[in-house]
Amino acid sequence: DAGVTQSPTHLIKTRGQQVTLRCSPKSGHDTVSWYQQALGQGPQFIFQYYEEEERQRGNFPDRFSGHQFPNYSSELNVNALLLGDSALYLCASSLPSAGSYGYTFGSGTRLTVV
Amino acid sequence: QKEVEQNSGPLSVPEGAIASLNCTYSDRGSQSFFWYRQYSGKSPELIMFIYSNGDKEDGRFTAQLNKASQYVSLLIRDSQPSDSATYLCAVNLETNAGKSTFGDGTTLTVKP
Repeated sequence: DAGVTQSPTHLIKTRGQQVTLRCSPKSGHDTVSWYQQALGQGPQFIFQYYEEEERQRGNFPDRFSGHQFPNYSSELNVNALLLGDSALYLCASSLPSAGSYGYTFGSGTRLTVV
Repeated sequence: QKEVEQNSGPLSVPEGAIASLNCTYSDRGSQSFFWYRQYSGKSPELIMFIYSNGDKEDGRFTAQLNKASQYVSLLIRDSQPSDSATYLCAVNLETNAGKSTFGDGTTLTVKP
């Protein structure tokens, strides 16, 4: 049973550039949430996608956008990168009603902005 | 005040001891509660979830919930060096079942 897969694992970008991160949810899961985790902090909610629509959004600027495809996979796009966007980006999959049963996380994408 | 608060630690216990990790939350509407374990450089892994007041046991782990006092705790019995990790508490609101709000975690070190 495939877990959550994320790509790439590491990425180095220059300030001002744009980046796209990808996620395939666990088999049987149809909801994808994205989190940003800075060093020494807990994951911060960016947004959640269900049925190809953004269902919830956290306190992140519009530079952060996403998409969900019919096969439930998802992308996170960040425009006009800032040094402060350097973090571990985590994709978490779940069932829509089973946010109450917790997430399955991918291994994450480590983004470094220089 | 942060929505979910945890002592950052580090918490150090000897091998075989009971480790006690605590978490408080601010929103009384919170309905479901989770503990995740995160090894250094890895992603979080779900350990337990609890919805009702009281205790829930799973192997060496016990989650305890007290909604009146707005705290949730995790007890690890017979702690092993492999339990050394950061433990994240997460909370879901009833009306936002899909979104979890995380604390910043407590780092646990189990010394042989």
